[in-house]
Amino acid sequence: EAGVTQFPSHSVIEKGQTVTLRCDPISGHDNLYWYRRVMGKEIKFLLHFVKESKQDESGMPNNRFLAERTGGTYSTLKVQPAELEDSGVYFCASSPGGGRMDTQYFGPGTRLTVL
Amino acid sequence: DAKTTQPPSMDCAEGRAANLPCNHSTISGNEYVYWYRQIHSQGPQYIIHGLKNNETNEMASLIITEDRKSSTLILPHATLRDTAVYYCIVRMMNTGFQKLVFGTGTRLLVSP
Repeated sequence: EAGVTQFPSHSVIEKGQTVTLRCDPISGHDNLYWYRRVMGKEIKFLLHFVKESKQDESGMPNNRFLAERTGGTYSTLKVQPAELEDSGVYFCASSPGGGRMDTQYFGPGTRLTVL
Repeated sequence: DAKTTQPPSMDCAEGRAANLPCNHSTISGNEYVYWYRQIHSQGPQYIIHGLKNNETNEMASLIITEDRKSSTLILPHATLRDTAVYYCIVRMMNTGFQKLVFGTGTRLLVSP
């Protein structure tokens, strides 16, 4: 069974540009989460989808971040315009849902560098 | 916010058992203890979780004290590949949709 995949693995952009990160969850997983670690800080939750619906977006830092999960399959996280402080590693995780105890499985992350 | 306390770092000799402690003195009766680890440049990896009984799987054992205020993750025969940051996380049960709250974890260094 394929794990959670993320694309790209690395992205280097200039301040003010737009970047879109993609996450493909484990097939059949209803729950999809985004987390990030910025330089020197702990891994922090960003938001959570249940299928295509946003269940919890309390961790989204500001309105420059937009997450979507059309069709309830893969998800994208767009940063527009990117700022220097957005640099870090963005992780996606998925879990089965359906009332079972929710173990989250993480992807390898996308390392974003904003210059 | 994280509700656990872990030592910032630990060392272990290859082949020996690594015992990673975690304090969660404010844990409530409906919260599980979860352990994840992050090997350098990879995403966090699930290890094990438990409520009040000791648990064992192919990766590790989890020992939870009777009062549930602390726990120990045991890697019975540590290898160099177990070098990672280990996170102890408490989560509510019966709410499968709760986010993970990561603390600073314990950086385990396994040496030859």
